[in-house]
Amino acid sequence: GAGVSQSPSNKVTEKGKDVELRCDPISGHTALYWYRQSLGQGLEFLIYFQGNSAPDKSGLPSDRFSAERTGGSVSTLTIQRTQQEDSAVYLCASSLKGSGGTEAFFGQGTRLTVV
Amino acid sequence: SQQGEEDPQALSIQEGENATMNCSYKTSINNLQWYRQNSGRGLVHLILIRSNEREKHSGRLRVTLDTSKKSSSLLITASRAADTASYFCATDKTGNTPLVFGKGTRLSVIA
Repeated sequence: GAGVSQSPSNKVTEKGKDVELRCDPISGHTALYWYRQSLGQGLEFLIYFQGNSAPDKSGLPSDRFSAERTGGSVSTLTIQRTQQEDSAVYLCASSLKGSGGTEAFFGQGTRLTVV
Repeated sequence: SQQGEEDPQALSIQEGENATMNCSYKTSINNLQWYRQNSGRGLVHLILIRSNEREKHSGRLRVTLDTSKKSSSLLITASRAADTASYFCATDKTGNTPLVFGKGTRLSVIA
């Protein structure tokens, strides 16, 4: 497909377990973003990758959260020792070039539930 | 952190009426964009306005930008039930900073 793909769509995990969320951006897009959205709330910025530059990790809420982007394409967001407050929809987006200059295309998100 | 704040938080109108949503932001920006979200999943881009532009149109959408007041408005004319969604503004400070979203306005259009 031509869009941003996220997997899994839904994930239920036990408190304390680690989870990995995957994002396949649109081919050729150099910028990739991760956001978190709690029910009925806005988008909370987590991390931003732009080309070969060091990622902007300023939005990561704690050191339990990390993300990588391999080969400038697929990205994985990892949450270690999950807590109930981590429950949210995790959204990934990509854009053709530097942030803001072009539209961001979003995936459908991963709904994470920590029980 | 959230740069933009949309106003109102929620808006309910009759089909055919116009809907106006506002966005205020705190620091200087490079561009401002508006997005729409249905049912709490992926967002869809609506329109982008650059910091040196004052107004843009796209179909039934009209966006204005006032950099002196650090604010933008999104006008949807002749609203339809299908316009029911949440609307978010997003800004970036420079071309190398992340896109930061506001909290959104929930629009309900009643048929």
